[in-house]
Amino acid sequence: DSGVTQTPKHLITATGQRVTLRCSPRSGDLSVYWYQQSLDQGLQFLIQYYNGEERAKGNILERFSAQQFPDLHSELNLSSLELGDSVLYFCASSVAGRPETQYFGPGTRLLVL
Amino acid sequence: GESVGLHLPTLSVQEGDNSIINCAYSNSASDYFIWYKQESGKGPQFIIDIRSNMDKRQGQRVTVLLNKTVKHLSLQIAATQPGDSAVYFCAENNSGAGSYQLTFGKGTKLSVIP
Repeated sequence: DSGVTQTPKHLITATGQRVTLRCSPRSGDLSVYWYQQSLDQGLQFLIQYYNGEERAKGNILERFSAQQFPDLHSELNLSSLELGDSVLYFCASSVAGRPETQYFGPGTRLLVL
Repeated sequence: GESVGLHLPTLSVQEGDNSIINCAYSNSASDYFIWYKQESGKGPQFIIDIRSNMDKRQGQRVTVLLNKTVKHLSLQIAATQPGDSAVYFCAENNSGAGSYQLTFGKGTKLSVIP
């Protein structure tokens, strides 16, 4: 157990809908990273937050957004969902002194029907 | 853009043997590397890391070797056990780019034969 929690574990929704994925980092970690994992693209970085502020953006679609709250938990919002959004979403967290050493949560598997 | 890749997509080893998983990276500016283990239905689990100022690092039953000359990374698992069966990913980071995002390879599936 990495100490990073994600909810829900599974999520089924329909095309065009909007969902919110939640992540709680390890105690004391200020950075949260979101990644998505698909069979063809592998693990890809989406976005990073540090202590409530956006720090870096990767291949995140415009209809996706994220935020980090004062209690350091983070939410990834996915809107106008398409069939191709049916992949795994992971968040990871890291300590302030070692931001590149990331510990991953169990993931949320999204299925868009 | 540059990315991390893996030589072998699958690897089968006999229980008790040593395993070697290889990874090639193309970004010569990368200065930090991590190996993750991902079991079915779980998130990537940190195994071991190494910085570019080192060429070898050992953990419990695992050793990571870094060859910057040929941009090659390997993970050695000693006395492989059935519980080691998983997909292994290498990942890299270039801290000089100002971001700590990890770039992952495609993964190698390790199957341990009892």
